[in-house]
Amino acid sequence: GAVVSQHPSWVICKSGTSVKIECRSLDFQATTMFWYRQFPKQSLMLMATSNEGSKATYEQGVEKDKFLINHASLTLSTLTVTSAHPEDSSFYICSAPGTDQETQYFGPGTRLLVL
Amino acid sequence: AQSVTQPDIHITVSEGASLELRCNYSYGATPYLFWYVQSPGQGLQLLLKYFSGDTLVQGIKGFEAEFKRSQSSFNLRKPSVHWSDAAEYFCAVAQTGNQFYFGTGTSLTVIP
Repeated sequence: GAVVSQHPSWVICKSGTSVKIECRSLDFQATTMFWYRQFPKQSLMLMATSNEGSKATYEQGVEKDKFLINHASLTLSTLTVTSAHPEDSSFYICSAPGTDQETQYFGPGTRLLVL
Repeated sequence: AQSVTQPDIHITVSEGASLELRCNYSYGATPYLFWYVQSPGQGLQLLLKYFSGDTLVQGIKGFEAEFKRSQSSFNLRKPSVHWSDAAEYFCAVAQTGNQFYFGTGTSLTVIP
């Protein structure tokens, strides 16, 4: 099946710094990828839709200037958390639709801890 | 508005017992339906999906789910639970290629 990877798997950073998270589709191309955020013991909340070659679409309440998304190629989307603060600490998961366009394949997630 | 409800926040079952996890949805059209499992600190693994056709779908790890349009439900079942099934289970609905809407999840504990 389709495989989606994320890097890094976990990261600890100081408050005020920026952190970049990569999401890659390893054996298929994805013109669209999705970024989710998951707080402990809660469900996944969609943050934004990443579109290759165009601007990302953000969900209501998500700060686009804080969560920068770049879909640089058909296999790579990046999420940059700018000027991170402790409240940004969370589990970030990306997904991409498979070749059948009907099933989402999820990355293993990136755990971010902002001190 | 689309929504997915998983009424049971936490379920505890004995190993070898049967399991049913409930999922109800509210959606404007006939959605695609999914069940995912998440182990602690891990990403989501697809258990099974329903697009159309036979309303009883088989998935991996011995799981199955039944789509009931009249009840707007897509409950997940397993006849005999194994200790390794302990995890968080998410029901989700979606349209083709579009974003998913997830339920709040059901945490499963398996007692030896």
